[in-house]
Amino acid sequence: KAGVTQTPRYLIKTRGQQVTLSCSPISGHRSVSWYQQTPGQGLQFLFEYFSETQRNKGNFPGRFSGRQFSNSRSEMNVSTLELGDSALYLCASSLKSSNEKLFFGSGTQLSVL
Amino acid sequence: GESVGLHLPTLSVQEGDNSIINCAYSNSASDYFIWYKQESGKGPQFIIDIRSNMDKRQGQRVTVLLNKTVKHLSLQIAATQPGDSAVYFCAEQLSGGSYIPTFGRGTSLIVHP
Repeated sequence: KAGVTQTPRYLIKTRGQQVTLSCSPISGHRSVSWYQQTPGQGLQFLFEYFSETQRNKGNFPGRFSGRQFSNSRSEMNVSTLELGDSALYLCASSLKSSNEKLFFGSGTQLSVL
Repeated sequence: GESVGLHLPTLSVQEGDNSIINCAYSNSASDYFIWYKQESGKGPQFIIDIRSNMDKRQGQRVTVLLNKTVKHLSLQIAATQPGDSAVYFCAEQLSGGSYIPTFGRGTSLIVHP
């Protein structure tokens, strides 16, 4: 069974731009959650989607948004990029809930210049 | 959720030694705990989990111990190998409902050959 796939692997953007990251969960997994990982803050929860609905949201500004499609694939979008948005963005999938064992992708490394 | 902390940010051991990575959690209501391993350039991978009705759980070369009295979790790795070099995270969760898992800051394990 294929693992969680995230694209692109690396991204370089400039301040003010917007970016869209993609995540394909493990087949059959319906819960997709997103995390931001930085050396200073560790793993910070962004949001969780289940059956195309946002079920939980972390403490991030409205510039961070996401969605989930009917096939459980998910995208997250960051608008008006700031330097502090530079981070590794990780997607994790699980069968039903982010409260279960999570399966992570390799992440998208975003650099904002 | 409440914060989860790790006592040691970096642990250096010799190949063949046993390693112990510690984690303190704050939410006494947490009833499910997971250890993840993150190798360089990859997302976190599940290692082992334990529920609050257990004190100890063993896997292949790994053992997780849970002390609910002092809210402490540890991961023991037997006969540590260079391939065990990674960052290890603990996560505390409250099963059921919409509780968001909380990750510790991580401990970097360095295994010297």
